[in-house]
Amino acid sequence: SYELTQPPSVSVSPGQTASITCSGDKLGDRFACWYQRKPGQSPVLVIYHNSRRPSGIPERFSGSNSGNTATLTISGTQTMDEADYYCQAWDRSTVVFGGGTKLTVL
Amino acid sequence: QVQLQESGPGLVKPSETLSLTCTVSGGSMFSYFWSWIRQPPGKGLEWIGHMYYSGSTNYNPSLKSRVTISVDTSKNQFSLKLSSVTAADTAVYYCARAAVLHYAVDVWGQGTTVTVSS
Repeated sequence: SYELTQPPSVSVSPGQTASITCSGDKLGDRFACWYQRKPGQSPVLVIYHNSRRPSGIPERFSGSNSGNTATLTISGTQTMDEADYYCQAWDRSTVVFGGGTKLTVL
Repeated sequence: QVQLQESGPGLVKPSETLSLTCTVSGGSMFSYFWSWIRQPPGKGLEWIGHMYYSGSTNYNPSLKSRVTISVDTSKNQFSLKLSSVTAADTAVYYCARAAVLHYAVDVWGQGTTVTVSS
């Protein structure tokens, strides 16, 4: 079965750039997206179609997807960005989530 | 704007069937994937499956033998049935809407906790 691998945790200082990776075999051939999940809340879509931002998502969120790796980049990270982040891929049939990455801003 | 609301029992006995319904308000069910996603305690998100409004379905291969997703566009509802449940099926269950072109979930329900226990 297809698997997506994320680092369990990433730490970043406020104002710095955070990068969260998501690895999977030929992931670049699939559509990748990213969700932010804060405790007690439903997930929020922050990147779709590899690199597109939904309306209302700050410009500091960006994404890329090539080869075997998709990357979520948060520029000028703010304390409000502290959350769990999940990547997700779709091959026009099945959907797979990564295991999630806890982003700590300190 | 579209809102989703899950409903159903919060406690299910082992070996029985878990049944949840999602009511869609504020929009049409046409031209989207209607999905169920769950998150077991302390674990990540897991896709259960989805149905296109026309009735075609795709299920997680690991759950496929136990899952049925159906849609009733006349009631603006879609449902999940998961049979032969065990404690491993204890989770927060979300209903969700995903775009057909690239499958990104842009609308989530608030989630409902289902516990499997005798």
